[in-house]
Amino acid sequence: ETGVTQSPTHLIKTRGQQVTLRCSSQSGHNTVSWYQQALGQGPQFIFQYYREEENGRGNFPPRFSGLQFPNYSSELNVNALELDDSALYLCASSLGAGTQPYEQYFGPGTRLTVT
Amino acid sequence: AQSVTQLGSHVSVSEGALVLLRCNYSSSVPPYLFWYVQYPNQGLQLLLKYTSAATLVKGINGFEAEFKKSETSFHLTKPSAHMSDAAEYFCAVSDHGNQGGKLIFGQGTELSVKP
Repeated sequence: ETGVTQSPTHLIKTRGQQVTLRCSSQSGHNTVSWYQQALGQGPQFIFQYYREEENGRGNFPPRFSGLQFPNYSSELNVNALELDDSALYLCASSLGAGTQPYEQYFGPGTRLTVT
Repeated sequence: AQSVTQLGSHVSVSEGALVLLRCNYSSSVPPYLFWYVQYPNQGLQLLLKYTSAATLVKGINGFEAEFKKSETSFHLTKPSAHMSDAAEYFCAVSDHGNQGGKLIFGQGTELSVKP
């Protein structure tokens, strides 16, 4: 069974640029959630995708967008990067959505640095 | 709205001593609660979860947590600390009402283990 994988591991971008982060969900999981973890903080929910549809969004501006593909892998896109976007971006996959407390399994994260 | 408060951003114990990491939650619905551990430069690993079954929950690596509704607490304990337990620990509540079970995390508690 393959766990959650993310790419790239590290990324350095300049303010104003755009970035795409990728996530492959665990085998059999159809739900992907994205979180931003600033240094010294707990993860903050960005959004969740369930069967290729957005299924909830946190308090992040529209320049944060995402996609989920038929194989349930996912992308996080951030436009017009700002210095405060520097963080560890975590992807988590789970089986199902809705009201079940499905466990979320996290990938190793992508460390984004904006200069 | 759900929220989580972790008391103590840093806890230090001696090897072999009791580990107690505190978590209090606020939830308008019966909560689903989780503890995750994060080792340096890694993603989050699920330690244990409470989903309205037994109030004493046993997890991996000898950790357990007790759900106390009257105190709105879900403290994490381990009878005897090991050097390998040094990590960041996050308590989380699942917002399973509207947004597919997004996780709301506390600020985290860094556990140090002294030899």
